[in-house]
Amino acid sequence: DAKTTQPTSMDCAEGRAANLPCNHSTISGNEYVYWYRQIHSQGPQYIIHGLKNNETNEMASLIITEDRKSSTLILPHATLRDTAVYYCIVHSPHAGGTSYGKLTFGQGTILTVHP
Amino acid sequence: DAGVIQSPRHEVTEMGQEVTLRCKPISGHDYLFWYRQTMMRGLELLIYFNNNVPIDDSGMPEDRFSAKMPNASFSTLKIQPSEPRDSAVYFCASSFNSYNEQFFGPGTRLTVL
Repeated sequence: DAKTTQPTSMDCAEGRAANLPCNHSTISGNEYVYWYRQIHSQGPQYIIHGLKNNETNEMASLIITEDRKSSTLILPHATLRDTAVYYCIVHSPHAGGTSYGKLTFGQGTILTVHP
Repeated sequence: DAGVIQSPRHEVTEMGQEVTLRCKPISGHDYLFWYRQTMMRGLELLIYFNNNVPIDDSGMPEDRFSAKMPNASFSTLKIQPSEPRDSAVYFCASSFNSYNEQFFGPGTRLTVL
């Protein structure tokens, strides 16, 4: 399955936008980009996912480049409660794909939001 | 719905003992996943079920680990015998289908002495 590369850590000031990059240069055509986050001592939490179009929900926006080799998760107004590890994952929901059914978590990006 | 429920939340046992972790998925979800998280290896998928049938158990570390899903509302992960290197947080997750997001439980923190 496709691998992802994320920065180890990032900082952001409270109230500012947090932009978290992810590289997935070997993504295949039927694989989606998913983002999860894990707040300390809790289970991972789904944020957003997309295939090739940009997506937005109440939590965040996902910008996927035209060649699909990278993406950016945007938290528009970061708060202290957004401090967490953010995971970018490529995943195929379709049977037959090598990543079918599997979320493969890397090391993620530790986002620290400062007052 | 109460979300994914796991029990116990904490388990401390001695090496060689049998450990059983339990999970109740969200009602109506057809997929159930077991993960393990350690500092060294991060978050790893152990096994997942679709409609109570194990689909992929390639992540199960060895024969000491076994998982069952006797019905749509209950799954167990058993370790027998347990070893100190099994100490980790074990998460259960469920999803409606392979496309939808996975909902994770609060985890079981296992310590094997």
